[in-house]
Amino acid sequence: GAVVSQHPSWVICKSGTSVKIECRSLDFQATTMFWYRQFPKQSLMLMATSNEGSKATYEQGVEKDKFLINHASLTLSTLTVTSAHPEDSSFYICSARKTGPNYGYTFGSGTRLTVV
Amino acid sequence: KQEVTQIPAALSVPEGENLVLNCSFTDSAIYNLQWFRQDPGKGLTSLLLIQSSQREQTSGRLNASLDKSSGRSTLYIAASQPGDSATYLCAVPLNSGYALNFGKGTSLLVTP
Repeated sequence: GAVVSQHPSWVICKSGTSVKIECRSLDFQATTMFWYRQFPKQSLMLMATSNEGSKATYEQGVEKDKFLINHASLTLSTLTVTSAHPEDSSFYICSARKTGPNYGYTFGSGTRLTVV
Repeated sequence: KQEVTQIPAALSVPEGENLVLNCSFTDSAIYNLQWFRQDPGKGLTSLLLIQSSQREQTSGRLNASLDKSSGRSTLYIAASQPGDSATYLCAVPLNSGYALNFGKGTSLLVTP
């Protein structure tokens, strides 16, 4: 199999604080992981590509200083939302793909972030 | 840039009907195509993966076809059930290791 675990599933934080979201590949190694954001009733929008051992690649319009990504091991990528504001409230979801032609992308269960 | 479009945006059918969800993409040079299901407030569950060299894949009541040359894929759901109610997403990467480009999804409601 190819299982991706994401934690926490939901978090409520005060405006101005930082929140860290973890994404783990449980039964495979992932040199690349992807972070998406989803607004209500909208599709997934790619935020950044997380690369193990190197800097993440951010999509246009995504503030790299606000959304810090760390991919320090082959099984763990973290997304930290710094100085969160209410407009950062959203559903964040990560993804990875196990190497091999028969494997598609596997997604975490997502994190619902609410900034109050 | 790869654009993925899904039609219809929403669909409501009575239980037992067979239905077809459509997905189109602008760049035919895809590595594969994947169909997902998303329940409200949840992550994505992979339903079917079709490699670029394949024409279709089947899993239970689901059948997905792929026509690369015309940039289209269809997801066929046979004998629909209320438990099939969810949003169905179609996605393609341009190449192996690239992030997925998603359509906006089809919101399906199957009524008892």
